[in-house]
Amino acid sequence: DVKVTQSSRYLVKRTGEKVFLECVQDMDHENMFWYRQDPGLGLRLIYFSYDVKMKEKGDIPEGYSVSREKKERFSLILESASTNQTSMYLCASSTGFISYNEQFFGPGTRLTVL
Amino acid sequence: SQQGEEDPQALSIQEGENATMNCSYKTSINNLQWYRQNSGRGLVHLILIRSNEREKHSGRLRVTLDTSKKSSSLLITASRAADTASYFCATDAGYSTLTFGKGTMLLVSP
Repeated sequence: DVKVTQSSRYLVKRTGEKVFLECVQDMDHENMFWYRQDPGLGLRLIYFSYDVKMKEKGDIPEGYSVSREKKERFSLILESASTNQTSMYLCASSTGFISYNEQFFGPGTRLTVL
Repeated sequence: SQQGEEDPQALSIQEGENATMNCSYKTSINNLQWYRQNSGRGLVHLILIRSNEREKHSGRLRVTLDTSKKSSSLLITASRAADTASYFCATDAGYSTLTFGKGTMLLVSP
């Protein structure tokens, strides 16, 4: 079974802090994704990557950056956390053509920025 | 980017009843996927239906796709309390990323 793990289930940070969210998948998937999920807004794509060192902006990249140095790991970085980045963050991975195949999700990280 | 919209936003039924939720989208797609999310957890893929398919089954799940109406439905037969979750449709438009709807919250009472 595909396993996608995220470094923390719950995280509390202060405004202005630099925050790292880590995601690791164990099925050699080419594609990895970061979403945020907010009540009433559903899932929104922040960034995705289709190969090592490659990254593409999603629908809401502002205030975020990503890093993919190894195929299995995709990191989301909040350079200077703000309260409006309080949210549930979901990582996912997939193989092949992005839109043709299912995505496998991690359990999520609930981030609170105070 | 286009977006699927689920309907209803919330659905409450008794165990043993069938649950039907719908998804509408705006532009042509290659495929449509349904996912389930248990409270506070990640999403789990349920089923994928391609644009040239009209119906697909997986266990107690039945998905239909009507490309002329740009809509899909997910039917869960003989619902169980464990089916309580949010259900999302996700659509694509070519070699692009998936766009998720806002979901239908299903509550199945014992």
